[in-house]
Amino acid sequence: AQKVTQAQTEISVVEKEDVTLDCVYETRDTTYYLFWYKQPPSGELVFLIRRNSFDEQNEISGRYSWNFQKSTSSFNFTITASQVVDSAVYFCALSEPYTGTASKLTFGTGTRLQVTL
Amino acid sequence: NAGVMQNPRHLVRRRGQEARLRCSPMKGHSHVYWYRQLPEEGLKFMVYLQKENIIDESGMPKERFSAEFPKEGPSILRIQQVVRGDSAAYFCASSQGLDSYEQYFGPGTRLTVT
Repeated sequence: AQKVTQAQTEISVVEKEDVTLDCVYETRDTTYYLFWYKQPPSGELVFLIRRNSFDEQNEISGRYSWNFQKSTSSFNFTITASQVVDSAVYFCALSEPYTGTASKLTFGTGTRLQVTL
Repeated sequence: NAGVMQNPRHLVRRRGQEARLRCSPMKGHSHVYWYRQLPEEGLKFMVYLQKENIIDESGMPKERFSAEFPKEGPSILRIQQVVRGDSAAYFCASSQGLDSYEQYFGPGTRLTVT
């Protein structure tokens, strides 16, 4: 069975600090995708990134960066110079393929990030 | 190009009533997924549908819950005889199906059972 673990339930940082959100996953599939979503206080889900299992290159997008390591089954997310607007719950998710046509997502329990002034 | 639409955004029901949640997928998408988020928890898969077919309902409670995605119109998640434990946010996602791993989420329906 697929599983996603986000061990950090809640993190508090002061603005401008860097923060890393951990994500560890379990799967028997060789082909899979990993995702990060942001859920601000308004409640909607905001897509941040998708990474496939064959691409282990790290990715940077502005203040966001992702570190994918297959050897440790981890897909960690770092926010550099955090801002108050980054305060949200962040979810890591793993796709479970249905014979290559479409998939369902398995979500972690989320990490609540609180950024204060 | 409208995204995934869900209505209502907020729904209040008394115990024992029925709740109907609607989801209109993105244009051109024929795959719909429903997820439930209980308070302070992550999202849990409920059901996956294609037009007129339920593909996977392994996450659906066995009683009181049903889902459909008719040939015409939105997908409907129906909860009969709601109980307080059904209070949650229900998210719908859609995908084209050709790109296997891209799901677009709607804004969610927040169901409160009083």
